[in-house]
Amino acid sequence: QSALTQPASVSGSPGQSITISCTGTSSDIGGYNFVSWYQQHPGKAPKLMIYEVSNRPSGVSDRFSGSKSGSTASLTISGLQAEDEADYYCSSYTSSNTLVFGGGTKLTVL
Amino acid sequence: EVQLVESGGGLVQPGRSLRLSCAASGFTFDDYPMHWVRQAPGKGLEWVSGISWNSGSINYADSVEGRFTISRDNAKNSLYLQMNSLRAEDTALYYCAKEDTTWYFDLWGRGTLVTVSS
Repeated sequence: QSALTQPASVSGSPGQSITISCTGTSSDIGGYNFVSWYQQHPGKAPKLMIYEVSNRPSGVSDRFSGSKSGSTASLTISGLQAEDEADYYCSSYTSSNTLVFGGGTKLTVL
Repeated sequence: EVQLVESGGGLVQPGRSLRLSCAASGFTFDDYPMHWVRQAPGKGLEWVSGISWNSGSINYADSVEGRFTISRDNAKNSLYLQMNSLRAEDTALYYCAKEDTTWYFDLWGRGTLVTVSS
C-alpha cells in the first residue's frame, strides 16, 4: 500500500488560510469516507484534528475543516495562528482492511 | 486519567526479537480496537498493525506481515506487539493508539523507541 500524497510543505501568514491536499486512489480515499487528519508538534504524539472527512473532535478549533472530492482530501486552516505551525498527516482506511498515512506536510507560519 | 503508556523499546541487534507493551487506563479498554503506529527518526507516520476489541480481526502492514504479531489482554488492559526478525528499517518510535470508530485514532501514547543496530 503506497502512502497518500501530501505536499512536503506549506506556509502562510498569521490570519491567512491555507489548504493541505492529500491524494489517494479509489482503494482508499476515493472509496471510503474514513479520512482523518492529525497534527504533530515536534517531540509530541499526533493529535486528531479531523475524522470521517469533515468531523471535528470536541476541543478542536473550528478554524480547522476537512473536505473530500473524489480521491483527494483537503484540510483547511483559517485564521492561521503561530501555534498551528506543526506537521500534518492525513490517513485513510483502505480496501485491504488496513490504514495508510500521507507522507506529512510541514506547515510554517511566517 | 485517560492514557496509553508504551514500554519495552530499546536497542536490539538485527535478526533478534523484542516485545512492546501498551498499558491503557481511564477508559473501557475492551470496547475499542487498538493499533500500533510507528515513526522512523525524522520521517512520517506508518501504520503497523491493528486488532479488534475481541482479537477476532487482526491486520498488518505489508512491511511487517509475518514478522510482527499484535495481541491484547483485555483483563490486563494491555496491548502488545511481538517483533521478530528485526531489521534496521524497523528502527522507529512506536506509538500505541486507540481507535474510536472507523479507523481514526483519538488517543495516542507517547511512544517507545526501538533501535535496531549491530
